[in-house]
Amino acid sequence: AQTVTQSQPEMSVQEAETVTLSCTYDTSENNYYLFWYKQPPSRQMILVIRQEAYKQQNATENRFSVNFQKAAKSFSLKISDSQLGDTAMYFCAFQGGSGAGSYQLTFGKGTKLSVIP
Amino acid sequence: DTGVSQNPRHKITKRGQNVTFRCDPISEHNRLYWYRQTLGQGPEFLTYFQNEAQLEKSRLLSDRFSAERPKGSFSTLEIQRTEQGDSAMYLCASTTSPGGALGELFFGEGSRLTVL
Repeated sequence: AQTVTQSQPEMSVQEAETVTLSCTYDTSENNYYLFWYKQPPSRQMILVIRQEAYKQQNATENRFSVNFQKAAKSFSLKISDSQLGDTAMYFCAFQGGSGAGSYQLTFGKGTKLSVIP
Repeated sequence: DTGVSQNPRHKITKRGQNVTFRCDPISEHNRLYWYRQTLGQGPEFLTYFQNEAQLEKSRLLSDRFSAERPKGSFSTLEIQRTEQGDSAMYLCASTTSPGGALGELFFGEGSRLTVL
């Protein structure tokens, strides 16, 4: 079974600064997908960014980018120019490329990010 | 609002009672998921539907839990004989069914269950 580990339960960053959230995962598959989801306080979870394992290029979405290290099974999220609205729980998630794990996401425990004015 | 809608948002019940949660997905989405999220944890997969067919169930889904999606539209999640360990946020999500990647999951705001 795949596992996703987020080793930073809480982090804080000053507004306009850059912060990196860590995520590692364990799988025996070669093709899979990785995601970062954001859950603001009392609001629904939304997708931040996704990465296909077969793509070497790191995904970017405006101020959000990832550092995908396939051999190390690492998938970190970098938030540049942090804004107060970035305050949220951030979840790293894994989707397998085949079999039962390809129909669901496996989430980490999350990192609570606080952006300080 | 055309997002995923969940009702009720909060349910308080006594141990042993039955509860039912409803999820209305985004209308054109044929895949619907239920996840459970406890305090300090990420969401855990419970079950999913493609149209009206329930295709996979987690072993977390004991025989006290049942989910349905009649006609492939809204879904209900029923918990019978609730236990205090059932206290959690129950999240519903929907998506389309592409050939490869899961695609973006659109989540509802969740239904929080408190079992006294």
